[in-house]
Amino acid sequence: DQQVKQNSPSLSVQEGRISILNCDYTNSMFDYFLWYKKYPAEGPTFLISISSIKDKNEDGRFTVFLNKSAKHLSLHIVPSQPGDSAVYFCAASAGGGADGLTFGKGTHLIIQP
Amino acid sequence: EAGVTQSPTHLIKTRGQQATLRCSPISGHTSVYWYQQALGLGLQFLLWYDEGEERNRGNFPPRFSGRQFPNYSSELNVNALELEDSALYLCASSSGTFYRGAEAFFGQGTRLTVV
Repeated sequence: DQQVKQNSPSLSVQEGRISILNCDYTNSMFDYFLWYKKYPAEGPTFLISISSIKDKNEDGRFTVFLNKSAKHLSLHIVPSQPGDSAVYFCAASAGGGADGLTFGKGTHLIIQP
Repeated sequence: EAGVTQSPTHLIKTRGQQATLRCSPISGHTSVYWYQQALGLGLQFLLWYDEGEERNRGNFPPRFSGRQFPNYSSELNVNALELEDSALYLCASSSGTFYRGAEAFFGQGTRLTVV
């Protein structure tokens, strides 16, 4: 049973446009959500996080939105740049991380020139 | 400042053997997490060490074990290797729990291949 789902294995976006990556979760105990970016042959790199008491968090070009009632979060990247091409993982945590992070399978974002 | 370092980068073992993977956390971080990323799957939580103690483990058999040393570095041992243990093993460190907003920082991983 997959508790964190990223239903789009890949996404292609034109450079300069907005990239929207989606993530759904099923476990209502999740109270902290993170996005990681991963290049080939490297470990995931933390991008941005959001607590369940918020519905939006911004950091530069990256904004994460959380809709608790829909159990849905999204990552917006504006404007998209070639260096953003990578695999993006959505992750969730419950109870302070005692069970580690639960990851989705990732979405491969491709930024086209 | 050095990030999370893992060794070796690649490891090839024969079925039935034991594998030992190592992780050095970021200086000052006391928590170490181990994850497995098998082909086509997301990262699966394996083990969590904090202050030298095993705090939690994921849904993996007991032949997956490890320890954390006084300097907070960690070792993951996989005994009686099976072909399906072939995966990328990632280590992450953090300075606290996620409630306190301490994100986990990952190493580059160890690619274990069991033949």
